[in-house]
Amino acid sequence: KQEVTQIPAALSVPEGENLVLNCSFTDSAIYNLQWFRQDPGKGLTSLLLIQSSQREQTSGRLNASLDKSSGRSTLYIAASQPGDSATYLCAVIHGSSNTGKLIFGQGTTLQVKP
Amino acid sequence: EAGVAQSPRYKIIEKRQSVAFWCNPISGHATLYWYQQILGQGPKLLIQFQNNGVVDDSQLPKDRFSAERLKGVDSTLKIQPAKLEDSAVYLCASSLGRALGGNIQYFGAGTRLSVL
Repeated sequence: KQEVTQIPAALSVPEGENLVLNCSFTDSAIYNLQWFRQDPGKGLTSLLLIQSSQREQTSGRLNASLDKSSGRSTLYIAASQPGDSATYLCAVIHGSSNTGKLIFGQGTTLQVKP
Repeated sequence: EAGVAQSPRYKIIEKRQSVAFWCNPISGHATLYWYQQILGQGPKLLIQFQNNGVVDDSQLPKDRFSAERLKGVDSTLKIQPAKLEDSAVYLCASSLGRALGGNIQYFGAGTRLSVL
């Protein structure tokens, strides 16, 4: 059974700091991995999607890496800003899935202080 | 482009009462998902529709939860009777096709349910 874990559960950093969020999954047979952002009272927004054959994806100040063999992904946020404060969730689709069901971690709540 | 619409935004009920949530997906999206997100946890898929057919309902507590997607557009999720542990945010999402085709899921703002 695929399980996704995110550590830490919460993180507080000063503005301008570079930071890394971690995601681990128990079964390396994944189809892809996604990082989402969730703001209070709002739904999820997809940030980055990494296919199983890829090693990383970049969008602006965000860079996500994938190491399938070790069951890990990291989301790197450069030069953090108060507007980055939100909960970040990672999710995987299992390689044997025929429906594309997303399995989510519990999220890391990030606070960036001005 | 209009996003995924959900209503109501908030609902407070007593245990053993019934409740229904409504979702209107993005126009043209064939796949619709209902997720349950308990405080401090990630979303858990309850049911997935492809047009008006059920693709996956393996984690739907069918003794009390039901969902339908008539005409392959809007969807409703119902809980009858509600239990305390049903307190959560219920998220609806839609995508052009199944996620295996690389289709991104777009999420609504959710309905926050409190069962007292």
